[in-house]
Amino acid sequence: GAGVSQSPRYKVAKRGQDVALRCDPISGHVSLFWYQQALGQGPEFLTYFQNEAQLDKSGLPSDRFFAERPEGSVSTLKIQRTQQEDSAVYLCASSSRTSGIYEQYFGPGTRLTVT
Amino acid sequence: AQKVTQAQTEISVVEKEDVTLDCVYETRDTTYYLFWYKQPPSGELVFLIRRNSFDEQNEISGRYSWNFQKSTSSFNFTITASQVVDSAVYFCALSDISGGYNKLIFGAGTRLAVHP
Repeated sequence: GAGVSQSPRYKVAKRGQDVALRCDPISGHVSLFWYQQALGQGPEFLTYFQNEAQLDKSGLPSDRFFAERPEGSVSTLKIQRTQQEDSAVYLCASSSRTSGIYEQYFGPGTRLTVT
Repeated sequence: AQKVTQAQTEISVVEKEDVTLDCVYETRDTTYYLFWYKQPPSGELVFLIRRNSFDEQNEISGRYSWNFQKSTSSFNFTITASQVVDSAVYFCALSDISGGYNKLIFGAGTRLAVHP
């Protein structure tokens, strides 16, 4: 079956531009995570959705970052007024479960470069 | 605070050598879970293994084996008879389930290069 997909795969933005990154989770998966992976680093948690509810946004680095999942499936991570430090790979992961320990299925990521 | 340390930034080996990737973690939780993920050049994180804190039995899966030792807070990963296809970045991760869901805390990763 189809895995987690993300689009675009690559995005170049000029400093100050707004960007929107899309995540299509595996069909039926209720949990959705966004992670940010800076060059040479491990992924860092940004935010978590359970269906359409955003239960944790503690990892969002500033109020320029905003995520939504209005219908409990596709999610969009929006970054306003991009800065160079926003350059990173943004990973999306989904899971069929909401509690306990479970495997997260990751997408290929969107590589954002802010010039 | 919860933390995962992968002290080896890069490892380079020749095909058929054995290689061990180190992972040390910190947590105050008595129940926790540890993971290893592989990230090939395509960028997608591939799940390899999950272990819980109550099970210290070592695990073997083909050429892969994992050594979990609570006494030293380590969860090391060994690849036996490495192959070029093993070249990737490997991440160790710790689960933070304080919020009732499985948030992963990753180490910085170890880049493994296997040369023919």
